Amino acid sequence: KAGVTQTPRYLIKTRGQQVTLSCSPISGHRSVSWYQQTPGQGLQFLFEYFSETQRNKGNFPGRFSGRQFSNSRSEMNVSTLELGDSALYLCASSLSGQGYTFGSGTRLTIV
Amino acid sequence: QKEVEQDPGPLSVPEGAIVSLNCTYSNSAFQYFMWYRQYSRKGPELLMYTYSSGNKEDGRFTAQVDKSSKYISLFIRDSQPSDSATYLCAMTANSKLTFGKGITLSVRP
Repeated sequence: KAGVTQTPRYLIKTRGQQVTLSCSPISGHRSVSWYQQTPGQGLQFLFEYFSETQRNKGNFPGRFSGRQFSNSRSEMNVSTLELGDSALYLCASSLSGQGYTFGSGTRLTIV
Repeated sequence: QKEVEQDPGPLSVPEGAIVSLNCTYSNSAFQYFMWYRQYSRKGPELLMYTYSSGNKEDGRFTAQVDKSSKYISLFIRDSQPSDSATYLCAMTANSKLTFGKGITLSVRP
């Protein structure tokens, strides 16, 4: 069975631009969560979607947003990029909101 | 105080050693407890998942949860060089995973 697929794997953007990251969950999984991983802060929760509704949100500014489609695929958008947004962005999917399977992530570099 | 505290490491052990990894937490609302393993340039991989206090064993791995002390542990028996990775504890409340900072384990042949 296919795992969680994130695209693209690597991305380089300049300050002020915006970016959209994509996540395809495991088939049948309706919960999709997004996390930011940096060496200093570790893994931090961004938000969770379930059946196209945002169910939970972390402590990130409004520049970070997301959505989920009817097929459970999810996108994350970051506007007005800052140097500090450079990180590995991870998506995880879950059948029941408990055991989460992660993708390999998108490595975003802001220059 | 952070919600989840994990021993910072790094940790280096010889092949065959028993490894003990630990986390403490402060939020009594946490219901599910997990251990993830992360190799370089990969996403975290779920190793162990448990709900109740007590021990859960899976091959060379044992997860231990003590809810009264707010303490969880992961034991790795007969450690192998292939176990070299970063190990993260994680806990959930309301479908939100809160992670420890992770500890990098190196198993020397």
